[in-house]
Amino acid sequence: EAQVTQNPRYLITVTGKKLTVTCSQNMNHEYMSWYRQDPGLGLRQIYYSMNVEVTDKGDVPEGYKVSRKEKRNFPLILESPSPNQTSLYFCASSLSEGSSYEQYFGPGTRLTVT
Amino acid sequence: GQSLEQPSEVTAVEGAIVQINCTYQTSGFYGLSWYQQHDGGAPTFLSYNALDGLEETGRFSSFLSRSDSYGYLLLQELQMKDSASYFCAVRDSMDSNYQLIWGAGTKLIIKP
Repeated sequence: EAQVTQNPRYLITVTGKKLTVTCSQNMNHEYMSWYRQDPGLGLRQIYYSMNVEVTDKGDVPEGYKVSRKEKRNFPLILESPSPNQTSLYFCASSLSEGSSYEQYFGPGTRLTVT
Repeated sequence: GQSLEQPSEVTAVEGAIVQINCTYQTSGFYGLSWYQQHDGGAPTFLSYNALDGLEETGRFSSFLSRSDSYGYLLLQELQMKDSASYFCAVRDSMDSNYQLIWGAGTKLIIKP
């Protein structure tokens, strides 16, 4: 089954404790992206990647890191989480940057930072 | 700045037709996408308009007018399962890279 997977689905952590949210897709997609979703704000892009070893900042990259060492994986790293990073996070992928209007989303990771 | 405006909530009756509007102000424009998101779920792609006019996909249709910076999603023969949030998203270009700029979403409430 073609899908985007994320782990963990739920995470409660404390301020300053480094964490990684994994994202993997099995559709051989070139383009991958991370979003955060907050009430009343819609989806805001954190980072995106057009292909292996090519990443760039989205609208709200502060406090986040990403890497794209393999085509299928695009982990999101929070080096020192803070309470304002409490949010619902989605990983998404599309065939290419050119088809980024049609993105496939993972199930989401609900993160709480206390 | 860049902004997309859509109503926060729309209520309709099962079996009826509902239109969800989206107006946008962005530095560039390459197309308008629509996504559906059920509570607790992930957004799923519905439609994309790059050119003016109406695109129909089953019970759902999407319209775009680039001169008016306006689009809408039309849902016909509403079913209870259509209760969800609907997001419009503009495909824009920044630093030669495409990205989606998202609206805040419209919660569609369907009454029996």
